[in-house]
Amino acid sequence: AQSVTQLGSHVSVSEGALVLLRCNYSSSVPPYLFWYVQYPNQGLQLLLKYTSAATLVKGINGFEAEFKKSETSFHLTKPSAHMSDAAEYFCAVSHRDDKIIFGKGTRLHILP
Amino acid sequence: DVKVTQSSRYLVKRTGEKVFLECVQDMDHENMFWYRQDPGLGLRLIYFSYDVKMKEKGDIPEGYSVSREKKERFSLILESASTNQTSMYLCASSLGAGGYNEQFFGPGTRLTVL
Repeated sequence: AQSVTQLGSHVSVSEGALVLLRCNYSSSVPPYLFWYVQYPNQGLQLLLKYTSAATLVKGINGFEAEFKKSETSFHLTKPSAHMSDAAEYFCAVSHRDDKIIFGKGTRLHILP
Repeated sequence: DVKVTQSSRYLVKRTGEKVFLECVQDMDHENMFWYRQDPGLGLRLIYFSYDVKMKEKGDIPEGYSVSREKKERFSLILESASTNQTSMYLCASSLGAGGYNEQFFGPGTRLTVL
């Protein structure tokens, strides 16, 4: 069965510092992986997705994620945090069917 | 531009009422989904639909039903609302088939059951 674990329900970083949000997945077959972002009082929007083309995936707003099969990880990074990055971030996994399994989310706080 | 709309942003209902949450997408997507989102629990799938008049149970279908009479519209029904159904409800759609298709989300409906 598929599952997703996001380490840390809350992460705080200073403005201008590196953002690192951790995601590990469990899957018996090659997965498709996603990162979504949810700003306050909004639905989720796609940041980036991995579909087995390139292991380093670039997304919107300067975010990127690297698929590491040996570590079953898909961590999200951004070199320099901005106040507008404050939001909740969800890692998700899917396979051949159309259902997506979401992690419990990590709320990112940006400190001035 | 892709768009998923939900009929209400905020809704307050009383215990025992029948509640309808409507979702419309304008992208001609085959798949539509209903989730509920609760703090610390992430998104949990209630029901989904691969086609008109087709529905499948998700992880937490108890107390809910759905209807999909037209491709663009997917309704979530709470037959008799209870306080433990107070939550944020999110609708999503995706292009079928294949797990690589991302889901597009509506803005959500925050339902309070008193």
